[in-house]
Amino acid sequence: SQTIHQWPATLVQPVGSPLSLECTVEGTSNPNLYWYRQAAGRGLQLLFYSVGIGQISSEVPQNLSASRPQDRQFILSSKKLLLSDSGFYLCAWRTALISYNEQFFGPGTRLTVL
Amino acid sequence: GQNIDQPTEMTATEGAIVQINCTYQTSGFNGLFWYQQHAGEAPTFLSYNVLDGLEEKGRFSSFLSRSKGYSYLLLKELQMKDSASYLCAVSNDYKLSFGAGTTVTVRA
Repeated sequence: SQTIHQWPATLVQPVGSPLSLECTVEGTSNPNLYWYRQAAGRGLQLLFYSVGIGQISSEVPQNLSASRPQDRQFILSSKKLLLSDSGFYLCAWRTALISYNEQFFGPGTRLTVL
Repeated sequence: GQNIDQPTEMTATEGAIVQINCTYQTSGFNGLFWYQQHAGEAPTFLSYNVLDGLEEKGRFSSFLSRSKGYSYLLLKELQMKDSASYLCAVSNDYKLSFGAGTTVTVRA
């Protein structure tokens, strides 16, 4: 069976510090991978998605970047955090083998920027 | 662009029925998903509609009208554990666009 992991679970960082959030998927190959952010009381905003190693598409201009160094690893980064980067970050995957687009979410990282 | 609307909050009594509506205007469509999200947790899949009509799954049902850009999620025999946020998401190719979510509070 497939599982998705994210870490850390919670993070408190000062403004201007760097960020690295990691997501890994087990039990599947060549998944589509996604990073979402959920601000308090809001829906999920798609930040980045990837259809393969080294292939990253950005949905919104922002202070963040993403990388996919391995097939089942997806990393979200920032060089200098802003207060507005606070939120709940969710990684998700879907199988690329079929058109059915159900996405499976990791447990999330709660980021607070002070 | 994508525009997906759903009510912000709903309150209902244990054992009752609640219907959460979702209207959408999107540039592409290949299905509509409903997810449940408890506070501080990841969203989990509830239902999927790609054709018009009703899909029933135990206490939960979901309806879709593609011509009207409209869906609803029906929760029957509400239980306290159904208190959560319910997210409507439109699928376009391999991306999902989410509504802001409807927070349902079930009262005893």
